[in-house]
Amino acid sequence: DVKVTQSSRYLVKRTGEKVFLECVQDMDHENMFWYRQDPGLGLRLIYFSYDVKMKEKGDIPEGYSVSREKKERFSLILESASTNQTSMYLCASSFVQTSGNNEQFFGPGTRLTVL
Amino acid sequence: AQTVTQSQPEMSVQEAETVTLSCTYDTSESDYYLFWYKQPPSRQMILVIRQEAYKQQNATENRFSVNFQKAAKSFSLKISDSQLGDAAMYFCAYGEEGAQKLVFGQGTRLTINP
Repeated sequence: DVKVTQSSRYLVKRTGEKVFLECVQDMDHENMFWYRQDPGLGLRLIYFSYDVKMKEKGDIPEGYSVSREKKERFSLILESASTNQTSMYLCASSFVQTSGNNEQFFGPGTRLTVL
Repeated sequence: AQTVTQSQPEMSVQEAETVTLSCTYDTSESDYYLFWYKQPPSRQMILVIRQEAYKQQNATENRFSVNFQKAAKSFSLKISDSQLGDAAMYFCAYGEEGAQKLVFGQGTRLTINP
């Protein structure tokens, strides 16, 4: 079974703090993704990585950065947390798709509250 | 840019009955994939069913089936014999052939009434 794990299920931080969300996958997937999930907005892509040290901005990268030093680990960083970053954060991974299925496998999510 | 629209924020159904969740998408591509994902309360999102656009036959997985209308750009999910464990958020997603990213809809929260 593919396993994608996230470092915390729930996190409470203060405005201005630097926040790290960690994601690890054990299926040797090349691609890893960070999404933000908000009611009525669905999943919005923050950043995407297709290889170690490679990254690509998604639809809402402002206020976020990412790090991928090892293939299995993808970190999302909130440099200075703000209350509008209170949300559910989902990590996902997938194989590189050249022809066929783009199925992604998801972690359990981290519910972040910024006070 | 491709968009995916789920126009039903919430749906409810009686246990053992059938429910259909709607999804439409916008694309100019001819080769792509469509997905329905399920996110149970406080649990991990999992894939329910997948459809390749080049296949005319609608995908089926046990009690879950889709109605894929390529010309209308519609991809609905039918759940037959609804069970309490089907209660979840359901997300429709679109992925292009050769692309790595998926585009997700807004989600539909499905409630099963006993």
